[in-house]
Amino acid sequence: DQQVKQNSPSLSVQEGRISILNCDYTNSMFDYFLWYKKYPAEGPTFLISISSIKDKNEDGRFTVFLNKSAKHLSLHIVPSQPGDSAVYFCAASANSGAGSYQLTFGKGTKLSVIP
Amino acid sequence: DTEVTQTPKHLVMGMTNKKSLKCEQHMGHRAMYWYKQKAKKPPELMFVYSYEKLSINESVPSRFSPECPNSSLLNLHLHALQPEDSALYLCASSPGHINQPQHFGDGTRLSIL
Repeated sequence: DQQVKQNSPSLSVQEGRISILNCDYTNSMFDYFLWYKKYPAEGPTFLISISSIKDKNEDGRFTVFLNKSAKHLSLHIVPSQPGDSAVYFCAASANSGAGSYQLTFGKGTKLSVIP
Repeated sequence: DTEVTQTPKHLVMGMTNKKSLKCEQHMGHRAMYWYKQKAKKPPELMFVYSYEKLSINESVPSRFSPECPNSSLLNLHLHALQPEDSALYLCASSPGHINQPQHFGDGTRLSIL
């Protein structure tokens, strides 16, 4: 049973426009959510995170929104740049308070930013 | 540049070989992780070390044997692997405090002949 779902395998956006990547989860015990970006032949790179006590976190061009009642989070990238083209993974954890924790990943969304 | 270093980047081995994957971080992180990623799939957790002690083993076969010699190093010893074990093996670390992200290395691409 997939606990973290990214239902869009791919997304194409024009340079300068907003990219919105979506993620849904089923486990109500998840309390910490992260977005990672992955280029081919590299490991996942941490982008931004949000804890369940917040509904928004912003870092430069990247903003993550969390809707706990809908069990939904989204990553907004604005403005989108060609260098943002990569696979984006949503991840969640249920026991971040322990210091070490298990991440459950979605299947990823491949973002293509068209110049 | 990643701050989690994994060696080797690529490894080809036969099913009877014994080899080790290595991971190193110098960020003072106290939790370290091994993940396995198959093509077009998300990473799947294998092991978690917290303060140099194994805290999570996700029912991984005994042909994979983790070791944490000190807080900066994490090894994965491989023996008698199967062709289906071919994958990208990712190491990650996190500070060990609440709500701190895991940081990943670039992985070791493992091929079993």
